[in-house]
Amino acid sequence: DTAVSQTPKYLVTQMGNDKSIKCEQNLGHDTMYWYKQDSKKFLKIMFSYNNKELIINETVPNRFSPKSPDKAHLNLHINSLELGDSAVYFCASSQTGTHRFGPGTRLTVL
Amino acid sequence: AQSVAQPEDQVNVAEGNPLTVKCTYSVSGNPYLFWYVQYPNRGLQFLLKYITGDNLVKGSYGFEAEFNKSQTSFHLKKPSALVSDSALYFCAVSPGNDYKLSFGAGTTVTVRA
Repeated sequence: DTAVSQTPKYLVTQMGNDKSIKCEQNLGHDTMYWYKQDSKKFLKIMFSYNNKELIINETVPNRFSPKSPDKAHLNLHINSLELGDSAVYFCASSQTGTHRFGPGTRLTVL
Repeated sequence: AQSVAQPEDQVNVAEGNPLTVKCTYSVSGNPYLFWYVQYPNRGLQFLLKYITGDNLVKGSYGFEAEFNKSQTSFHLKKPSALVSDSALYFCAVSPGNDYKLSFGAGTTVTVRA
């Protein structure tokens, strides 16, 4: 059983386009996150949701908008994609402190 | 503010030798400390965590870590490394339960046969 799943796994798109990444967890966790891993493998929190409510919004451009339709899902929509948005985006969930991560979505902006 | 330092970009060891990956942290209050491993083109896998209790924590795949409050360290160890342990290792800290993780820059471990 896949605990945290993301779609798509790979996303290649042109600058200026809008794209979405979907995340689902079947662990029953209340808290979900988006992390970004840059080309140097550095990981940084972007957003955190607890039971569908936004609780952490790090300094992320307004072009990034998370949406949580229910506590099992946390999607990430990105408007007007830029070259610098190219990265791997990881979804995660947690309940007792331990984060469980999804497989990641590699976004390449051309 | 919370932060993690992994002073070594790379660690190289021979198979069968002990492996140590270093981590120091800074956080307000009692730390929640974690180690994750990332294999090439894969997600992050949880290895172990320290929240409270015994300073020596045992985790997956024969790894363990020792929490040292006075040195603010949480080094990852394995008594006998395997070639399959070659991967990117991340230390992370959180100030509380179900709060964001702050990651170190990662340490690439290479175990040679």
